[in-house]
Amino acid sequence: EPEVTQTPSHQVTQMGQEVILRCVPISNHLYFYWYRQILGQKVEFLVSFYNNEISEKSEIFDDQFSVERPDGSNFTLKIRSTKLEDSAMYFCASRYSPVGGGAGEQYFGPGTRLTVT
Amino acid sequence: AQKVTQAQTEISVVEKEDVTLDCVYETRDTTYYLFWYKQPPSGELVFLIRRNSFDEQNEISGRYSWNFQKSTSSFNFTITASQVVDSAVYFCALSEAIYSGGYQKVTFGTGTKLQVIP
Repeated sequence: EPEVTQTPSHQVTQMGQEVILRCVPISNHLYFYWYRQILGQKVEFLVSFYNNEISEKSEIFDDQFSVERPDGSNFTLKIRSTKLEDSAMYFCASRYSPVGGGAGEQYFGPGTRLTVT
Repeated sequence: AQKVTQAQTEISVVEKEDVTLDCVYETRDTTYYLFWYKQPPSGELVFLIRRNSFDEQNEISGRYSWNFQKSTSSFNFTITASQVVDSAVYFCALSEAIYSGGYQKVTFGTGTKLQVIP
């Protein structure tokens, strides 16, 4: 069964450093998302991406964050200058668009645990 | 704005008991989607169900069942004959539909931690 993959599974970085979290969505999916979950808290939407541009972003997704689909398979989240409060689990998700429109399932990757020290 | 409330923070049940996880949502849209996700201790998010706001039929899948009541804005989840493997955090979530009939961001509730005791 196809699945969303994310690398690395755990990333430790120092405050102020740049990090890139990588995701490979399911191949026929057209909508891509990043969410984050601070330890013990709820999952929060960061950004959605469709047709090579951001379609929606939350107030969390400030200028420190950027997303990119550099090729036909990867979808990345970059944090330019990490802060302690960026420590969280980051989930990538993708969703297909059924022929004729309508909803499809949003599949989540296993997550990347980011620890900022 | 959309909001999901899961008032039960933690629930403990003894194996084989039935348990219902409550979910109440708020949205201004008439077309939306509701979801339940399971997050086991390993941390991944496992999709359980998606419902369209126009479909109020209750659904049963094995030991799982869902009760969608638009009149009370609730989408409750029942596990029948609970098992230890059901121990996890369960998230209810909501997404407003977009013009194409799909959806974009998913708003999650704070989750209910279910512990099934052997």
